[in-house]
Order: sequence, then structure tokens, then C-alpha cells
Amino acid sequence: AQTVTQSQPEMSVQEAETVTLSCTYDTSESNYYLFWYKQPPSRQMILVIRQEAYKQQNATENRFSVNFQKAAKSFSLKISDSQLGDTAMYFCAFMTNFGNEKLTFGTGTRLTIIP
Amino acid sequence: DAGVIQSPRHEVTEMGQEVTLRCKPISGHDYLFWYRQTMMRGLELLIYFNNNVPIDDSGMPEDRFSAKMPNASFSTLKIQPSEPRDSAVYFCASSLRGLNSPLHFGNGTRLTVT
Repeated sequence: AQTVTQSQPEMSVQEAETVTLSCTYDTSESNYYLFWYKQPPSRQMILVIRQEAYKQQNATENRFSVNFQKAAKSFSLKISDSQLGDTAMYFCAFMTNFGNEKLTFGTGTRLTIIP
Repeated sequence: DAGVIQSPRHEVTEMGQEVTLRCKPISGHDYLFWYRQTMMRGLELLIYFNNNVPIDDSGMPEDRFSAKMPNASFSTLKIQPSEPRDSAVYFCASSLRGLNSPLHFGNGTRLTVT
């Protein structure tokens, strides 16, 4: 079974600084997808960024980028030039792409951006 | 702790049938969430409860969907009548103190409506 671990329950950083959220996972699959979701006060889950395991290039979305280390089963999220609106819970998630396309989540990291 | 327990793991039903998904949150958690995952729409919040009371059900797609939480240890999501477009993975999650607390997801129920 797949597992996703976020070892940092809480983090805080000054506005405009860079912060990295950690995520590790365990799987025997070779092809899969990894995601970072943001949860604002509405409790919706907003997709921040997605990485396909077969791609060596790290995904980037504006100020958000990932450091995907497949051999180490690590998938960290880097937020550059952090903004107050980045304050939220962040969830790492994993999904295989062989039939059972079901997400497995970490328990989240609470990120606070300090003015 | 056994974590959030959802049942069944898989459900296949015919269009028009009633479907009931079940969730047992982690003991002591006072928030419970239902999410739906589809490839097209991603992850959507359907409804969430605090202390067994529905707080926000604005994500429930239509009247065919209903959710209840009769006590702190059990919740159901019911679809009646079911339609093929309801096919998705439905997640239940629970947390203590709600927002900004660790959110524990169940393994999900894969629903297929034919």
C-alpha cells in the first residue's frame, strides 16, 4: 500500500522569503503522479502543482516548484517570494496510474506567512 | 488508531439505484469532510460537519446527494437515484479542531454507476 508522510506539522516564514515543505512517500510502483494541494479556509482543496513520475524535469507553476527525487521517494514543494495569501494547510498526495486512480494523502503542513 | 474507515472500498451499481457510502472518523475528531475526486474536476469538497452538524453543504451537487452524521462516530453519504456521472472516488476525512489541523483521509470509496 502507498503511504505519504509530511513530517512538518507547522511551518512559518517571513513574507517574501522562500519556504520548502517536505513530503516523502512509499510505493512499489514505478509510474505514478504526485500532487500538492492547498486548503484555504473554505476547506476546498486547490491543486497547486502536479508531477508525473516519469518526467525527470521538476514541475514549476509561477512561484511554486517541486524538488522530485524519485530514488529517495521525496517530493518537496518550494514557495518563492512567499505572500500572505499563501497561508494555508498544504497536502501532499500520491496517485498511481494503473487502474486504481485514487489519491493517497499526507496529513498536511500548516504554513503561516508572517507579515 | 485505525484511522478513518470508509466502506465499501468499491461499489458498482446500476443507474437509478440508491447508493450509501459510510465513514467512521477517528475517535475524538470533531470535524468530518466528504470530498469527491474525478479526473475531470479534481478534488471537490461536498460537505463538512462540525460536532455532527452540517456546516457547509454548498458543494453537494444536487438534491440527489444527501449526507448525515447521526453521531460522532458515523457519517453517510447517500446518492438517490444514482447516475453514471456520479462515478468517482469519494473520500471521507476527519480532523480535530478543523482548519489548520492535520487532516486524516480514509482510503476512499470508488463508485462506478453503469
